[in-house]
Amino acid sequence: KAGVTQTPRYLIKTRGQQVTLSCSPISGHRSVSWYQQTPGQGLQFLFEYFSETQRNKGNFPGRFSGRQFSNSRSEMNVSTLELGDSALYLCASSLDRAEQYFGPGTRLTVT
Amino acid sequence: AQSVTQPDIHITVSEGASLELRCNYSYGATPYLFWYVQSPGQGLQLLLKYFSGDTLVQGIKGFEAEFKRSQSSFNLRKPSVHWSDAAEYFCAVGYDSNYQLIWGAGTKLIIKP
Repeated sequence: KAGVTQTPRYLIKTRGQQVTLSCSPISGHRSVSWYQQTPGQGLQFLFEYFSETQRNKGNFPGRFSGRQFSNSRSEMNVSTLELGDSALYLCASSLDRAEQYFGPGTRLTVT
Repeated sequence: AQSVTQPDIHITVSEGASLELRCNYSYGATPYLFWYVQSPGQGLQLLLKYFSGDTLVQGIKGFEAEFKRSQSSFNLRKPSVHWSDAAEYFCAVGYDSNYQLIWGAGTKLIIKP
């Protein structure tokens, strides 16, 4: 079974731009969670989607949004990028209420 | 509020020595418990999990963890570490009442040659 894939792996953007990151979960997994990881803040939960519905949301500003498609693939979008948005963005998929399987992450650098 | 504590930010262990990484959780309900490992710049890999049953669970790469309900702990152990075990280790806890995992801050393991 293929693992969780995330594209792109690396991204460099300028302040004020927007970015879209993509995540393809393991086949059969309907839950997709997104995390932001930075050296100072650790692993912070952004949101979780299950069957195309946002089921849970972390404490991030509205500039961070996401969606999930009928094939369970998910995207997250960050608008009006700030320097502080530079981070490793991790996607994880799971069967409901079970262990999460992580993708390799997207390294976003905002300049 | 539910929380997970990994009290050690860094741990340094000599290669070949034994290892124990600590994890404590705050909520009283029966949890689901996980340990993940992350190599630099990579995603997280599941080492082991506890849902129910035997409180001593075996994982990949020679790791094991023991759930102690009385101490609200789920410590990770390995009898003999290898240089390739150098990484960051995360403990996570889930509950039936909460769809989301609660994560510890991580412990960075450094291996001395």
